[in-house]
Amino acid sequence: GENVEQHPSTLSVQEGDSAVIKCTYSDSASNYFPWYKQELGKRPQLIIDIRSNVGEKKDQRIAVTLNKTAKHFSLHITETQPEDSAVYFCAPPSGGYQKVTFGTGTKLQVIP
Amino acid sequence: DAGITQSPRYKITETGRQVTLMCHQTWSHSYMFWYRQDLGHGLRLIYYSAAADITDKGEVPDGYVVSRSKTENFPLTLESATRSQTSVYFCASSEISTGHKGGTEAFFGQGTRLTVV
Repeated sequence: GENVEQHPSTLSVQEGDSAVIKCTYSDSASNYFPWYKQELGKRPQLIIDIRSNVGEKKDQRIAVTLNKTAKHFSLHITETQPEDSAVYFCAPPSGGYQKVTFGTGTKLQVIP
Repeated sequence: DAGITQSPRYKITETGRQVTLMCHQTWSHSYMFWYRQDLGHGLRLIYYSAAADITDKGEVPDGYVVSRSKTENFPLTLESATRSQTSVYFCASSEISTGHKGGTEAFFGQGTRLTVV
């Protein structure tokens, strides 16, 4: 996506460990910052999102943190499980308020 | 059925042929999007639409045409298919675009796997 950086591009962790994926953006027009998960052969689906009036949001083992000053937000997965293996995409504001563009994706592999 | 559906799910076509991929949503979402997904390239925006009769180019629009005469439908046409357009195509819709203040979730169709031979 335009001016969207997502790191790392691949990530391998042992089952039970934590994983962190970071998304950096340049356009600060929006207040909505979502993360999507795409399992192999499936469609992307929203797993968590955050709005700029809060700094952190948690949903069981996943959390998202937002730093609007530094223009990045991160996905945190704790106690990883094999079913967390997937590609994760961020979709921050970028290149115009009507578009929805995605980061380049992070392939997470959880090793049993 | 409620939701967003794409057709066909799989399509093989020959170079130079015109092919149309269909996308239909039942939520009356204002925004609709077309993406292509190639191995190692993530999701790239082809075209998007903010409402009926309003469409605009995304990152990779060349070789594609869209229309949106009705809110619920957003077909994507490859005017003269090329091998480089072999890809998985996803349609998506959202009530409010992510870029807006108060943006909302984008819902994806199941995808169309297109092979151009």
